[in-house]
Amino acid sequence: AQSVTQPDIHITVSEGASLELRCNYSYGATPYLFWYVQSPGQGLQLLLKYFSGDTLVQGIKGFEAEFKRSQSSFNLRKPSVHWSDAAEYFCAVGAGTSGTYKYSFGTGTRLKVLA
Amino acid sequence: NAGVMQNPRHLVRRRGQEARLRCSPMKGHSHVYWYRQLPEEGLKFMVYLQKENIIDESGMPKERFSAEFPKEGPSILRIQQVVRGDSAAYFCASSPRADVNTEAFFGQGTRLTVV
Repeated sequence: AQSVTQPDIHITVSEGASLELRCNYSYGATPYLFWYVQSPGQGLQLLLKYFSGDTLVQGIKGFEAEFKRSQSSFNLRKPSVHWSDAAEYFCAVGAGTSGTYKYSFGTGTRLKVLA
Repeated sequence: NAGVMQNPRHLVRRRGQEARLRCSPMKGHSHVYWYRQLPEEGLKFMVYLQKENIIDESGMPKERFSAEFPKEGPSILRIQQVVRGDSAAYFCASSPRADVNTEAFFGQGTRLTVV
């Protein structure tokens, strides 16, 4: 079964600083990887996804993520954080057999941005 | 094309009552997934349905919980005889196919509070 680990529960950065959120996955085959953002009281919005091809994936809102198979990682990055980026970020891996699939989510990283 | 619609957004039930959560998938989507998010935790898969069929309910509690996705109308997650521990955010997602490389789109969730 697949699983996802997000080692950092909380991260605080200053506005304008760079950001990296860590995600490690466990899955026996080629993973399908996602990053979602959840603002307080809201649903999940897809930031980016990796299915195959280029291991550096560009997403919305200036985010990018790099898939590293050797490290089983899919870390999310942003070069300059904005106050509006304060939210909770979830990494997920999708996998399925027999025509079904379901995501496994990490426990999330809550980002706080200092003015 | 409206997104995934969930209602109600907030639901308060007394212990022992029934909770009914509704999910209308995006137009053209015939695959629905329900997830539960407990406080301070990530999302946990509950059940995957196609029209009139339950495909994977491996994440559903064995008792009191049921789900359906009828030929007409929204998908319903039903919780009978609710207990305090059922308090959580319940998210629905939909997709047009069940391929592992097809993303799911999430609704804004129903926040259930059991008092």
